[in-house]
Amino acid sequence: AQKITQTQPGMFVQEKEAVTLDCTYDTSDPSYGLFWYKQPSSGEMIFLIYQGSYDQQNATEGRYSLNFQKARKSANLVISASQLGDSAMYFCAMREGGNYGQNFVFGPGTRLSVLP
Amino acid sequence: GAVVSQHPSWVICKSGTSVKIECRSLDFQATTMFWYRQFPKQSLMLMATSNEGSKATYEQGVEKDKFLINHASLTLSTLTVTSAHPEDSSFYICSARVGGKDHEQFFGPGTRLTVL
Repeated sequence: AQKITQTQPGMFVQEKEAVTLDCTYDTSDPSYGLFWYKQPSSGEMIFLIYQGSYDQQNATEGRYSLNFQKARKSANLVISASQLGDSAMYFCAMREGGNYGQNFVFGPGTRLSVLP
Repeated sequence: GAVVSQHPSWVICKSGTSVKIECRSLDFQATTMFWYRQFPKQSLMLMATSNEGSKATYEQGVEKDKFLINHASLTLSTLTVTSAHPEDSSFYICSARVGGKDHEQFFGPGTRLTVL
């Protein structure tokens, strides 16, 4: 079974608008971490934002925020005020087992294209 | 964030030869390093987890005799693809984790391997 689901293979957004990239996950472990990474065409993985399963508040990092709905097992990434440089692949990932967990799984990714 | 380097950034080799890829944490000590491979337009797949001074833990389906991992120091892990074949052509990415902190995992820029 898929541990991480990203249902949007591709998304388009107009520059300066906000966009939400969906991510749902599946785990029975009470302790886990959720991550979003950006991968531009150069291939490097750029860490964007992290949410721990016990964190009470939704994580925010600049223009990135994570809409964490624990009961629904979703961790959507919201990018506000999109920029042309945001065009890239975006991967949602999960680590089970808390800080010492080793199992790190990536979703299939969403390709975001920002239109001028 | 911390910096992880990989060398080489790309390599082309003949079928049957072995290729070594280095992953270094430049400004921190990484107790755990991870090796991933990524086929075109696909997500990252974890190959193995490498802990300094001990044998790597391989994911199911990954041949340990083909993908040799050595984590000789807290700042260096190497992946050797032995007797490479065209189907081993892929993008190989390493990541390094600082201590046991969930979100402090940093990725290298990746190595593109092409086997002719």
